[in-house]
Amino acid sequence: SYELTQPPSVSVSPGQTARITCSGDELSKQYAYWYQQKPGQAPVLMIYKDNERPSGIPERFSGSNSGTIVTLTISGVQAEDEADYYCQSADGSGTYVLFGRGTKLTVL
Amino acid sequence: QVQLVQSGAEVKKPGSSVKVSCKASGGTFSVRIMSWVRQAPGQGLEWMGGIIPIFGKTDYAQKFQGRVTITADESTNTAYMELNSLKSEDTAVYYCARTDYGGNSRYFDSWGQGTLVTVSS
Repeated sequence: SYELTQPPSVSVSPGQTARITCSGDELSKQYAYWYQQKPGQAPVLMIYKDNERPSGIPERFSGSNSGTIVTLTISGVQAEDEADYYCQSADGSGTYVLFGRGTKLTVL
Repeated sequence: QVQLVQSGAEVKKPGSSVKVSCKASGGTFSVRIMSWVRQAPGQGLEWMGGIIPIFGKTDYAQKFQGRVTITADESTNTAYMELNSLKSEDTAVYYCARTDYGGNSRYFDSWGQGTLVTVSS
C-alpha cells in the first residue's frame, strides 16, 4: 500500500535552517500538506498545496516539491518550533488521505 | 474563523460504541466537508473519513468501513463520529477537522481540540 516516508527526527540549533522531507510515489501527482503538532495540542496546518502558507503562519516556514519528495523548510529556527511535523497527501485518485508517520524536530 | 468544539473524554468497554460530537461556529458548516482524524497514544495521525453536511454524503477509510458512521446535523452545525465494536486499539484522541481541497486531494485547515476515547475493560 502507498505510504509517505518521513525521517523520525531532525535536530537543529536555534537560528539554523531545518529541512524535513517526505517521500512518496504519488507526490508528483498530488499536493502535499504540512502540519505542526505540539504536545497535548491539535495539529495546525502550516503549508498547503505544496508551498502555500495559511494566514498567520510565519514566513520562516516554506514548502517545496521536487517530484516524489516534498520538503518543509524552517529558516531561522526558533525554540518554539520544536514540535512534531506531519506531511499529508492523497493516493493517486484523491480518494484516500494519507499521513506520514511524523518527524520530531528538536531545537538544540 | 471557524471554531470546532468537541465533546468530552469517554471511557468505554470493549465491544461497545462511542459517539463523539463536533460543534462548528463562525463558518459555513453545511458546504464544507468535516473529517475525522484519530491519533493513538504516541502515534501518528490517521484519517477515518468525512461528510459533506449539505448532501449527507460520506466516505470512509477502508480500515474503518463498516465500523464507523459519520453524520451531521445542519440545524445545530454539529458533526458526529460513531465508532462501533470498540477494541483496546481504538484508544486514541479523535479530532474533527474542517476540510478543503487542493486539486483533488483533501487537507485540514481547522481542527477541534480533540476527544480522548479510552477503551478498557
